[in-house]
Amino acid sequence: GNSVTQMEGPVTLSEEAFLTINCTYTATGYPSLFWYVQYPGEGLQLLLKATKADDKGSNKGFEATYRKETTSFHLEKGSVQVSDSAVYFCALSSPSGGTASKLTFGTGTRLQVTL
Amino acid sequence: ETGVTQSPTHLIKTRGQQVTLRCSSQSGHNTVSWYQQALGQGPQFIFQYYREEENGRGNFPPRFSGLQFPNYSSELNVNALELDDSALYLCASSLFYASGLSGELFFGEGSRLTVL
Repeated sequence: GNSVTQMEGPVTLSEEAFLTINCTYTATGYPSLFWYVQYPGEGLQLLLKATKADDKGSNKGFEATYRKETTSFHLEKGSVQVSDSAVYFCALSSPSGGTASKLTFGTGTRLQVTL
Repeated sequence: ETGVTQSPTHLIKTRGQQVTLRCSSQSGHNTVSWYQQALGQGPQFIFQYYREEENGRGNFPPRFSGLQFPNYSSELNVNALELDDSALYLCASSLFYASGLSGELFFGEGSRLTVL
């Protein structure tokens, strides 16, 4: 079955540091890949997505590239801000036999950014 | 544009009881999905409703059931509550196209259920 593995947190960084959160996946076929963010007390928000190999998703300074050869979708940001403190979830949806609304999530990585 | 709203935000039940959680989908969306998020875990897909019928289900027992109403709002019902049902229940709405593809999921803030 489908699964997503992401690095455990918490990840603690100083403001303006470089961020990488690793994500690897197992899936049949060619899934779409997503990063969601959950700020304290809020619901999940889509941060970025990529629908095919070598696609790069980007939003708010965050980037992730769909790497089929390594089955990875690592999240990066060049300079984090305190306001980026949140929990980040990697997720996939497999087009085979289901709808794109059925997402398989990783366990989440908590990011804490300090001044 | 009205977002996804869920109620109640918090509730406490005892083992064996039944609970109903409600969700109003975002304006213009015709599909509702429910997810269970246990503490420290990622959300797990429970099921999805489209045109008032269940359209996909995750690995959850039949005591988890749902409804979708003509206005696309939805309910999640859980019978015979167990301690492990304690979790944040997330509702997400989306637009499902005839082609079989779905637009972006928009999540509500969730209903936190505690089972004692």
